[in-house]
Formats: sequence, structure tokens, C-alpha cells
Amino acid sequence: DPKIIQKPKYLVAVTGSEKILICEQYLGHNAMYWYRQSAKKPLEFMFSYSYQKLMDNQTASSRFQPQSSKKNHLDLQITALKPDDSATYFCASSPRDWGPETLYFGSGTRLTVL
Amino acid sequence: GDSVTQTEGLVTLTEGLPVMLNCTYQSTYSPFLFWYVQHLNEAPKLLLKSFTDNKRPEHQGFHATLHKSSSSFHLQKSSAQLSDSALYYCALRTGFASALTFGSGTKVIPCLP
Repeated sequence: DPKIIQKPKYLVAVTGSEKILICEQYLGHNAMYWYRQSAKKPLEFMFSYSYQKLMDNQTASSRFQPQSSKKNHLDLQITALKPDDSATYFCASSPRDWGPETLYFGSGTRLTVL
Repeated sequence: GDSVTQTEGLVTLTEGLPVMLNCTYQSTYSPFLFWYVQHLNEAPKLLLKSFTDNKRPEHQGFHATLHKSSSSFHLQKSSAQLSDSALYYCALRTGFASALTFGSGTKVIPCLP
């Protein structure tokens, strides 16, 4: 059974619209992350959360907003979508958010913006 | 700032022969180094990791030694298999930073006769 669930698996959106990517983890981890993978930037760190608090944000655009309603949830809201946002978005988690902790990745949401 | 460099974008493997993927890094604090592997249409998974100088962790026939003097963490396998074809990422985390920074990745494909 997958321990990190990302929904939906595929998403098609039109330019200017808004979408929410869902992530839930059942590993009991305290830290969660969002990464983006595209042809231009292979695996790009976006956000990290620890105990539901934002720890690091390396996303230049405010159009990307993480939302953590529960300790094991970290959704990603993207507004005013652009074709350049087309990528696979991976959610990940780890026991804590620093040091030699292994990140466990979900299977990703592939977003296509037309 | 912290960064990871993987010089080869593409490496070909021949079954039964060694394969090596290069990784160097720049780190302002204590580095933690990782190798992740991503097979086609799958999520990245940890292959191995190290934070101890000159120690050689091994997993699935792969090994990598962290050399802090040269800021390197090259991945090697003495006898490659066709199933090793995948995308390999070297990654770095430093000190108490939460971001795990990935290199640009090295795609490993079989060398067809």
C-alpha cells in the first residue's frame, strides 16, 4: 500500500485557472515537502514543513501556496496557472526536516497547463 | 550557496562492466550526501547516503564514498546490470537546513551492441 498518497495522478488545467494538489502521508513523519520535476529543472525543492509550520520556501512565486490542515497533510494550491507550471509535482516526507533523514516520495501529480 | 554538480547528463552501461557517476558539491556547513534513483514513471527512492568522511555505504551493489577533502560523493558499481538503467540524482543537505538540494541528474541507459 502506498504510504504517501498524492491526488490526482494526472491533472490538466487551462491557463489562468487554479488547482489544488493533495498529499497525505501515513508514515508518521513530522516533516513534509513539495518538489517539482520538469525538463528544465530536474528535481527542484519548493517548500518544507515541520509540525505543520513552514520551514523553508524556495519558490519565487506567491502563486504557489502550501496548505497544512493536519500533521500528515500538505496540499499545494497553485493559482493563475501558466504553461510553464507544467511539471510533475512530488510530495515527500521524512521523520524530521534536517540531517541525514531519508525523504520518501509520493508517486507524483503530473500537471499539464494548456 | 549550497549546490550539487553532476557532470554527466547521460551515461551508458554495459552489463557486467563497472559504472561510475560523478557528484561534487559545495557546502557551507556539515554536509549530508545522498544518492536517489528514479526508474521510469516512478518516484525517486533513496539508494544510499553518507555523512561520515571516507566511509563507504553500499546498497544493491552500489557504493559511494564521501570525500570531504575533494567535496565528492561518486557512485560506483563494479558489475552493472541492465536493470540499473534509471535516472540517478545526487543530493545534499547541510547543517540544520530542511531543503534537500538535488543535482541535475544522470540518466543511465544500456549500451546496445
